Amino acid sequence: EVQLLESGGDLVQPGGSLRLSCVASGFTFRNYAMTWVRQAPGKGLEWISSLSGNGADSYYADSVKGRFTISRDTSKNTLYLQMNSLRGEDTAVYFCAKPASFYYFDSWGQGTLVTVSS
Amino acid sequence: DIQMTQSPFTLPASVGDRVTITCRASQSISNWLAWYQQKPGKAPRLLIYKASTLERGVPSRFSGSGSGTDFTLTINSLQPDDFATYYCQQYNRFPYSFGQGTKLQIK
Repeated sequence: EVQLLESGGDLVQPGGSLRLSCVASGFTFRNYAMTWVRQAPGKGLEWISSLSGNGADSYYADSVKGRFTISRDTSKNTLYLQMNSLRGEDTAVYFCAKPASFYYFDSWGQGTLVTVSS
Repeated sequence: DIQMTQSPFTLPASVGDRVTITCRASQSISNWLAWYQQKPGKAPRLLIYKASTLERGVPSRFSGSGSGTDFTLTINSLQPDDFATYYCQQYNRFPYSFGQGTKLQIK
């Protein structure tokens, strides 16, 4: 059974940093690109970043480009999202998601809440 | 970037109804479209991919159609468990994008 477990969400001040983690199990982690999707309170889903299986290719939404960095540690079956220069509009639940054969997502974590506020 | 526009924003319906949700892409995405269901406080659940292929375990009352720019999700004979928010997502090219969601609510 595929499991994705996010952690690292917290209350952080504007301009601060945070690193999210997503531990994966139940599938061969290195074979799959992985993605972060977020959802602001009461709002819709927003794709923010994806990383290829070998870690060589990364993609970002304009809203986070230059501030967020996606990475992975295959030895730990873990996906990361380093978030810098956080803003109020980054307040959201952050989900990690595993794609099926293409970039639609057949498995999701439960999400971790990031709140950016002074 | 490809914009995804869903309609309606909210959809009042009753158990047993047949409902249709529309998703329009700002440019052609072939059939690279997925549909998800989300309930409050939960992660999204994949329903349909490649515009019309039902994900394993999803009830057959759900169906999808369309290609190019116009897509629909249809739910036949609504069940109480179906009242949720539905999202479309294009995966034709980065940046991948979701529709704004359609909340299916009890009439």
